[in-house]
Amino acid sequence: QVKLVQSGTEARKPGSSVKVSCKASGGTFTSSSISWVRQAPGQGLEWVGRIIPKPALTNYAQKFQDRVTITADKSRSTVYLELSSLRSEDAAVYYCVTGDDHGDYDLLYWGQGTLVTVSS
Amino acid sequence: QAVVTQEPSLTVSPGGTVTLTCGSSTGAVTSGHYPYWFQQKPGQAPRTLIYDTSNRHSWTPARFSGSLLGGKAVLTLSGAQPEDEAEYYCLLSFVFGGGTKLTVL
Repeated sequence: QVKLVQSGTEARKPGSSVKVSCKASGGTFTSSSISWVRQAPGQGLEWVGRIIPKPALTNYAQKFQDRVTITADKSRSTVYLELSSLRSEDAAVYYCVTGDDHGDYDLLYWGQGTLVTVSS
Repeated sequence: QAVVTQEPSLTVSPGGTVTLTCGSSTGAVTSGHYPYWFQQKPGQAPRTLIYDTSNRHSWTPARFSGSLLGGKAVLTLSGAQPEDEAEYYCLLSFVFGGGTKLTVL
């Protein structure tokens, strides 16, 4: 069974950066896409971007294009989301979500979420 | 970027049938938008119910079905159960709708 385990809560100040990790197990890491989706308190879901570890293809939502970097460490089966120039509106739970083993479908299995707070 | 629209809230009686819709500001929703449906209960991570328009996940009860109708993606719940009360989100081409709060009452 596919399982995603995310890193713990992060607290940051405005203007700083945060890096959140997502370790995958039980699937074929290199061919499955992993997306990041966020949810601000009391709000809906927002797709941030995704990576397909092999061949390290990334896609980002236009809104985050200049502030987000998604990377993958194949040796650790871990994907990272780095968001820079943080503002209060970036405070949210960030979820990683992976697809099927063959890379045919995205967004099938969800991690438990990582809370990121942004406050001075 | 397209705006994806959903009903803000719907109510269904236990055992009843309800249809949730998902539309796009750019026009008719097609299979090329690869519609997804997600369910989220309070305090929990979302979970995927339907992918690629009509495919149920392994844990999705058969009472949930996805389709295209009238230029929109549609999630139909037939025989609603109390445990189906939740927020439902659709996704079209990696853009989420605002969610539908479904009450079973």
